[in-house]
Amino acid sequence: QKEVEQNSGPLSVPEGAIASLNCTYSDRVSQSFFWYRQYSGKSPELIMFIYSNGDKEDGRFTAQLNKASQYVSLLIRDSQPSDSATYRCAAPRRSQGNLIFGKGTKLSVKP
Amino acid sequence: DAMVIQNPRYQVTQFGKPVTLSCSQTLNHNVMYWYQQKSSQAPKLLFHYYDKDFNNEADTPDNFQSRRPNTSFCFLDIRSPGLGDAAMYLCATSPRGLSYNEQFFGPGTRLTVL
Repeated sequence: QKEVEQNSGPLSVPEGAIASLNCTYSDRVSQSFFWYRQYSGKSPELIMFIYSNGDKEDGRFTAQLNKASQYVSLLIRDSQPSDSATYRCAAPRRSQGNLIFGKGTKLSVKP
Repeated sequence: DAMVIQNPRYQVTQFGKPVTLSCSQTLNHNVMYWYQQKSSQAPKLLFHYYDKDFNNEADTPDNFQSRRPNTSFCFLDIRSPGLGDAAMYLCATSPRGLSYNEQFFGPGTRLTVL
């Protein structure tokens, strides 16, 4: 199993819908997770991080961590066309601490 | 505003001609990273500095070197760029060394090799 696995999509949702982005992870990463958003041609931007089991909400974004299932997700409520971007989850590798990035899910929000 | 700055934003060089990319930060973070990102791929870590301690990734080609003269600045030197080195180069910083949490990225430098 890869350290951080992510469905590369693309994921297309209508404006106003909930977009659900998912990652699974292996025992080779520490259980601190970061969600980065990257617009085409731009650099990654940190939008959420989660360390504890359960949900963490910030505005329209909710990060969910399930340590038993080794699963982390990002929900975007009331999706807007401006949310269209590639979203990557990332976690520190246990042996070194460097961030391991998922391949990214390309989200497209249709007006 | 505290930030990570990269210069230049766009760099064009010729095959084999050395090039230096620059990163500076006003965040006073201990750790600075250099990533290479090619189209539609995840960022690939080249190396990082924890203060002055340099850490090279095992698969980073010798063609890539780095310098960190002080806390604020870090440079990426590509000694003999090849066509395969055309990419976006991202600098990132982190406030917490050992846990490498919360990396903050600069805007990137897009390198073109002719």
